[in-house]
Amino acid sequence: AQSVTQLDSQVPVFEEAPVELRCNYSSSVSVYLFWYVQYPNQGLQLLLKYLSGSTLVESINGFEAEFNKSQTSFHLRKPSVHISDTAEYFCAVSESLPTQGGSEKLVFGKGTKLTVNP
Amino acid sequence: DTGVSQNPRHKITKRGQNVTFRCDPISEHNRLYWYRQTLGQGPEFLTYFQNEAQLEKSRLLSDRFSAERPKGSFSTLEIQRTEQGDSAMYLCASSLRKGNEQFFGPGTRLTVL
Repeated sequence: AQSVTQLDSQVPVFEEAPVELRCNYSSSVSVYLFWYVQYPNQGLQLLLKYLSGSTLVESINGFEAEFNKSQTSFHLRKPSVHISDTAEYFCAVSESLPTQGGSEKLVFGKGTKLTVNP
Repeated sequence: DTGVSQNPRHKITKRGQNVTFRCDPISEHNRLYWYRQTLGQGPEFLTYFQNEAQLEKSRLLSDRFSAERPKGSFSTLEIQRTEQGDSAMYLCASSLRKGNEQFFGPGTRLTVL
């Protein structure tokens, strides 16, 4: 079984400051990793994902996350945030199995509310 | 709009009543998922279909919950004899293949009085 821990439930930052949202996971099998974002009054949207290959993945709006297998982490970073980044961010994990079968569900963390202040 | 749609968006019901929610996935997606989200928590997996086959069910899905996807297209989630603890946002998602992005619908917010 997998689990995801997002230690910070709320992160307030000022505009143009850097931010890191932490995500640690636990799994007995190989995993895919995801960050989803939920803007106020909107549905969940995929921000970025790690399936294989380069451990550093980037989104189109300047976020990046690095898969660290030894530390079982997938922290989300942005060097300079904007007011429009205010949202709730969810880290999620699913099993990655080379063959058919196995679970395809996403296991989510509890989320981190990022508030960007002017 | 070619995204995942869910109906109704809001449902208020009295304890003990039955409710049914509908999810229409993105048309070419063969995988459909149901999740539940309560305040302050991330979404929790309920069940998953590949085409019309229900392949996985969470232990959260008690006997009062049933889900169907009769023709491999839309899906329904029914809750019988609702309880106040069933109050939550019910989310539907669809995807094309394993490892692909799961696209989420806007959710159905259920309030049980």
